Amino acid sequence: GEKVEQHESTLSVREGDSAVINCTYTDTASSYFPWYKQEAGKSLHFVIDIRSNVDRKQSQRLIVLLDKKAKRFSLHITATQPEDSAIYFCAASKNSNNRIFFGDGTQLVVKP
Amino acid sequence: GGIITQTPKFLIGQEGQKLTLKCQQNFNHDTMYWYRQDSGKGLRLIYYSITENDLQKGDLSEGYDASREKKSSFSLTVTSAQKNEMAVFLCASSITFQNTLYFGAGTRLSVL
Repeated sequence: GEKVEQHESTLSVREGDSAVINCTYTDTASSYFPWYKQEAGKSLHFVIDIRSNVDRKQSQRLIVLLDKKAKRFSLHITATQPEDSAIYFCAASKNSNNRIFFGDGTQLVVKP
Repeated sequence: GGIITQTPKFLIGQEGQKLTLKCQQNFNHDTMYWYRQDSGKGLRLIYYSITENDLQKGDLSEGYDASREKKSSFSLTVTSAQKNEMAVFLCASSITFQNTLYFGAGTRLSVL
């Protein structure tokens, strides 16, 4: 089955800098790549996703890039703020009939 | 908007006890999931269901049973609680595997 790997288990940046979280996947048929955020003591919520028909998507300070050849996707958070501190999970799914696979999460710490 | 409600929020059990966790959603979503999260780490899929009365095993189904008797509810049973077990169980729902997952607040399990 699919395997999704997050390369950074922790990432520390200074407030105002950019943060980049990288994920790779193994199944070339994967076509849907969402990101979820988990703040301390809370549950997960959706932040942004990208589908395989595009290679870039932006929502305010969040940018997702997809490199299908390298089977790699990344979340870029620009102008980081303390409230961006959280665990970020990437995920991948082949199609609407196949379950989603999560990475193990990246703990992002934004230092003032 | 909809909501996912997990009960109870906290569950303390005894070793060997059978424990049931409940999840209700009012999104009218077809797909529901149970995940286990240990110590703020990654998510492991226990069971999922793509429609009423459907059950599919995830990666961690041993030691658990699940039931989807109604579209809106999905329950999980720990068949025999393990001593010193501590984890958070997260329920989620989505329209399909390639749509946003909405997570409940979680049930925190402690076994004495």
